[in-house]
Amino acid sequence: SQQGEEDPQALSIQEGENATMNCSYKTSINNLQWYRQNSGRGLVHLILIRSNEREKHSGRLRVTLDTSKKSSSLLITASRAADTASYFCATVGGGANSKLTFGKGITLSVRP
Amino acid sequence: EAQVTQNPRYLITVTGKKLTVTCSQNMNHEYMSWYRQDPGLGLRQIYYSMNVEVTDKGDVPEGYKVSRKEKRNFPLILESPSPNQTSLYFCASRDSVNGYTFGSGTRLTVV
Repeated sequence: SQQGEEDPQALSIQEGENATMNCSYKTSINNLQWYRQNSGRGLVHLILIRSNEREKHSGRLRVTLDTSKKSSSLLITASRAADTASYFCATVGGGANSKLTFGKGITLSVRP
Repeated sequence: EAQVTQNPRYLITVTGKKLTVTCSQNMNHEYMSWYRQDPGLGLRQIYYSMNVEVTDKGDVPEGYKVSRKEKRNFPLILESPSPNQTSLYFCASRDSVNGYTFGSGTRLTVV
């Protein structure tokens, strides 16, 4: 069953603009991760934020986490055409499995 | 280079013909997992393995088997594939702090 629900489902922006993608989830988590997937290819891990963290940066990426609202956002600053891809949030709960539970993804198109 | 290697990348097979998708990781990770990705459904976990000889079902295990005889390998076995198993499959391994590395995927078509 889906844990993360991303919003919007699709986003189209101009190169140079910022892209903000949101993710909401339902149950308590250990951490939340964002992945990128280029057109049916492999998943690339972008960033991991733990439940006791509120914000994290990695290059042009900024992730926030609000555990009280069970939500996260991924901001890509100064977007490039190469950022065009699908983006997924995935949560990791407790327990031995600690599996990744993915949302359905956001399709980001960055127009040159 | 740290990686998860899946083979084959593409496979077309017929209903009922047993197949195995191999997965190997070179990071000495104890945890490995298989996911399938379908349009509108996202990625769903099929099976996972906490360590050698320890495997368990994920969310959608029906029609699949796995084995974990050694730490680096975690093959996915479809004993009698059916068309509803047509999907994009990903193998992943995880380090101790929940960092996942995914393979490049196997696109399987069952006709």
